[in-house]
Amino acid sequence: EAQVTQNPRYLITVTGKKLTVTCSQNMNHEYMSWYRQDPGLGLRQIYYSMNVEVTDKGDVPEGYKVSRKEKRNFPLILESPSPNQTSLYFCASSFSGEQFFGPGTRLTVL
Amino acid sequence: QKEVEQNSGPLSVPEGAIASLNCTYSDRGSQSFFWYRQYSGKSPELIMSIYSNGDKEDGRFTAQLNKASQYVSLLIRDSQPSDSATYLCAVRPFKAAGNKLTFGGGTRVLVKP
Repeated sequence: EAQVTQNPRYLITVTGKKLTVTCSQNMNHEYMSWYRQDPGLGLRQIYYSMNVEVTDKGDVPEGYKVSRKEKRNFPLILESPSPNQTSLYFCASSFSGEQFFGPGTRLTVL
Repeated sequence: QKEVEQNSGPLSVPEGAIASLNCTYSDRGSQSFFWYRQYSGKSPELIMSIYSNGDKEDGRFTAQLNKASQYVSLLIRDSQPSDSATYLCAVRPFKAAGNKLTFGGGTRVLVKP
């Protein structure tokens, strides 16, 4: 089954404790992206990757890092999380424009 | 002006009626347009894509695109309670890197039995 997976699905953490949210896709897509979704602000792109070792900032990259060492994986790293990063996070992958989303990770930073 | 604008709703529709959702965009050069459905707390699910002017039908859904007027719409015929969700309009800007999409804020639809 073609899918995008994310882990963990739910995470409660404290300010400053580094965390990684994993994302994996099995569709051999070159393009992957991370979004956050907040009430009233909609979906906003954090980072994207056009292929292995090719990443770039989206609209709201501050406080986040990413890496793309393999085509299928695109982890999101929060090195020092802060409460304003409490949000619902989605990973997505794409081949020709239509993006397919993972199930989401609900992150709470206390 | 937001790049992609939608009425936030809620759009209340009786069961069996037609729900009509609109979306306007600012980048005149945009070529690709998508409608996603998102249930509360769930991920967006692609329901329609449209690339050329006119109508595109898929089951109970019809997407309409008018590039000259810079709007794209979604019609849901024979609305069902299971159609109650937020519908996101997404546009691929002309100069977007890769497959970047810009999303509207979404229209919440409520289908009442």
